[in-house]
This record gives sequence, structure tokens and C-alpha cells, in this order.
Amino acid sequence: DAGITQSPRHKVTETGTPVTLRCHQTENHRYMYWYRQDPGHGLRLIHYSYGVKDTDKGEVSDGYSVSRSKTEDFLLTLESATSSQTSVYFCAIKAQGAYGYTFGSGTRLTVV
Amino acid sequence: DQQVKQNSPSLSVQEGRISILNCDYTNSMFDYFLWYKKYPAEGPTFLISISSIKDKNEDGRFTVFLNKSAKHLSLHIVPSQPGDSAVYFCAASANTGNQFYFGTGTSLTVIP
Repeated sequence: DAGITQSPRHKVTETGTPVTLRCHQTENHRYMYWYRQDPGHGLRLIHYSYGVKDTDKGEVSDGYSVSRSKTEDFLLTLESATSSQTSVYFCAIKAQGAYGYTFGSGTRLTVV
Repeated sequence: DQQVKQNSPSLSVQEGRISILNCDYTNSMFDYFLWYKKYPAEGPTFLISISSIKDKNEDGRFTVFLNKSAKHLSLHIVPSQPGDSAVYFCAASANTGNQFYFGTGTSLTVIP
């Protein structure tokens, strides 16, 4: 594998609770991304980071926040989880100047 | 609004025959395109790419064709094998390649 891990792999949480998903890389890549995958929608970008403390919004950022305090970790937080955030979340990394991402194995999140 | 579209949610092909997966895009600024393959419970993995300066790129059994005037690309798999059964996503990026937009995916089943 390319040195990217996501945790947890599965999580069930209740509506209204905060949830944090973690993405960890050992590749020292500059760019990190959070996508969600939903039937009929494919993969949609939530947030991405282009460096430590440098982040930007993607297509579906409402209800999500991110933080990147060090190169290797990119955290995705759902401040108050809703059922519409039930999804599979993928983290991806990309080196400076490279085309294409390397994806993690995903986190399946269920909000009940 | 979906900028990258895969209008066929599923495709079934006999082993040994050709599989053709299609992808359309709306943003004329897109200049780099990728195909990813995804097995259940795994992250997407990179398959093949093409730049807008080309109209064809080959890698073994996989060929991607790009028709810029029609804003259309296709992935050809010849010959198809049962191990090719997966969901295929196309993705497109403009200029920097730092943000890719994904299609909704096509589920390919290769029948032995």
C-alpha cells in the first residue's frame, strides 16, 4: 500500500454527536483530500488541504470541518452528525506536481 | 451540478469481449482525465490517465480515448476478464490537477 491509513474503518454514531475521522500518511505528500461516496453521486470532494494549516472547501463542505496541524494527518470533523452524512468517506493524497490521487481504504460512517 | 457524468450505472460483458465505459464532461477547462477502478470495501485505485494534448493512451488491455470536441472520453478493456468486475470512475481536472471531479461510476460485470 502507498502509506495512507484511515481510522476508524467503521463507525456508528447518533444524530447530533460530533465525529472525527482521521487520515494518516507516511508519504510526506503535500495534498490531502476528503471525499464521500454515495450511490448515484459517485465521489464528491468535501475539503482538501494543500499544506499544513492550509485548507479549502470542496463541493459538499456544509456540515464538515477539517484540520491539518502536521503534514501526515488530515482530520475530518462532523460537528453535529446528521443522517444525511451516512456515507463512505475516503481520504486521498497527492504529491506536488503529480497527477492523480492515492486513496485510503475508506471509513464507513452510519448516523442513526 | 455534476460536471462529470457516467450515464451507464452498470454494464455486463462476456469474458474475452470488449468492455466500453463512457464518460462525459461539461467543463471545457478540464485538461487531464483519469480512470479509477474500485472493488467493494476498498479504496479506488488508479488505472489509466490521459492529457488533453492526446486523443488516445494505451496501457496493456486498457485504452482511453478522448474526444475534446464532444467532451467525451471512453475506456476500452480488451479482452475483458472476470477480475475486471468492479466499479469504474472517471475523473477530470483543470489546469493544476490539484482537484479532480469524479463521475458517478459504472459497475462492470464480466461474465465467465
